[in-house]
Amino acid sequence: LAKTTQPISMDSYEGQEVNITCSHNNIATNDYITWYQQFPSQGPRFIIQGYKTKVTNEVASLFIPADRKSSTLSLPRVSLSDTAVYYCLVGDKAAGNKLTFGGGTRVLVKP
Amino acid sequence: SAVISQKPSRDICQRGTSLTIQCQVDSQVTMMFWYRQQPGQSLTLIATANQGSEATYESGFVIDKFPISRPNLTFSTLTVSNMSPEDSSIYLCSVRQGEHAEAFFGQGTRLTVV
Repeated sequence: LAKTTQPISMDSYEGQEVNITCSHNNIATNDYITWYQQFPSQGPRFIIQGYKTKVTNEVASLFIPADRKSSTLSLPRVSLSDTAVYYCLVGDKAAGNKLTFGGGTRVLVKP
Repeated sequence: SAVISQKPSRDICQRGTSLTIQCQVDSQVTMMFWYRQQPGQSLTLIATANQGSEATYESGFVIDKFPISRPNLTFSTLTVSNMSPEDSSIYLCSVRQGEHAEAFFGQGTRLTVV
């Protein structure tokens, strides 16, 4: 099972770009990299998913280098409402596609 | 997408009793999972709820303590049995439609055991 490592917390200011890097050295060939966002008192919410190179949607960008041993979630021009915990997950097809959550990164956006 | 309704949203229970949490999905889903999240902590997977068969439990979780039912593709229950204060946590239901699919989560059930 691929384990993920990401910073415990990050502070930022409104309007800045936030980049969170996740390490997953043991990622398997078939595994995708997925990021979830969790606000207090809510369940996690899907943000973005990728396999390699770069993926962009209306919320974020995901950068994955060729060796896929890490990935970086980029949140452009954050606002106060982006304050949340961000989880990097690597799927485990061999174990029934269940999602195993690591520690997450607590992002605090300040005014 | 999938909309998940979890009941109850919160409860305060006496130690030694049991609580059953319900998870209802608005569409048929392939995979259903139950997680526990203690305050300020990450999510821990309890088990995979299998339709028509026994749930698959993660290390540290056993069926006698956390019996799970999944009678069909839209509904599951998790029971927290013989509760102690250490069981105080948020319990979340999650669903996925398949490999690499987005996971959807319920709002969670906040359980306090006194």
